[in-house]
Amino acid sequence: GENVEQHPSTLSVQEGDSAVIKCTYSDSASNYFPWYKQELGKRPQLIIDIRSNVGEKKDQRIAVTLNKTAKHFSLHITETQPEDSAVYFCAAPGGSARQLTFGSGTQLTVLP
Amino acid sequence: NAGVTQTPKFRILKIGQSMTLQCAQDMNHNYMYWYRQDPGMGLKLIYYSVGAGITDKGEVPNGYNVSRSTTEDFPLRLELAAPSQTSVYFCASSKTGQLGNTIYFGEGSWLTVV
Repeated sequence: GENVEQHPSTLSVQEGDSAVIKCTYSDSASNYFPWYKQELGKRPQLIIDIRSNVGEKKDQRIAVTLNKTAKHFSLHITETQPEDSAVYFCAAPGGSARQLTFGSGTQLTVLP
Repeated sequence: NAGVTQTPKFRILKIGQSMTLQCAQDMNHNYMYWYRQDPGMGLKLIYYSVGAGITDKGEVPNGYNVSRSTTEDFPLRLELAAPSQTSVYFCASSKTGQLGNTIYFGEGSWLTVV
């Protein structure tokens, strides 16, 4: 089944700096990689995703890059703001049910 | 649209008790899911359904049961609650399969088994 590892588990950055979160996956057949943001006490919400036929996708201050050869993908947040503070989850398809397998999450804290 | 609605939001159960977490969606989505989220951990898939009358096990189905009699509803049943089932439970839905389709989550149900 799919194994998704996410690093780091916690990340603190100064407001205005960039943040990078990396995930690796094991199933070479995986072809879709979403990122979810979960604010404290709230539900996870999709913020960006990428399919395996592209190497990078941007949406304003966030971007995701994919390296299929190395089987890793990363979330990049530029010009971080306090409202970016949250837990971020990556995911990849696979597992016993061939559904999304989520990483263990990264707690991002943006310091004012 | 209300999206995905789940109840109750908070519940304390005693060991051995049973309960049902309710979930409903009004987006006419075919796929529905139940996840659990333990502290500091990711989301683990318990059960999922691709349509009314069809359910299948996820990664961690033991101790749970589901049914899908309508497109809108997907209740999760806990039988003989155990402390290991203390967790936050999220119901979710998507139009079609997860690959490339946004999953919409409910607000979560905090369950404590004592």
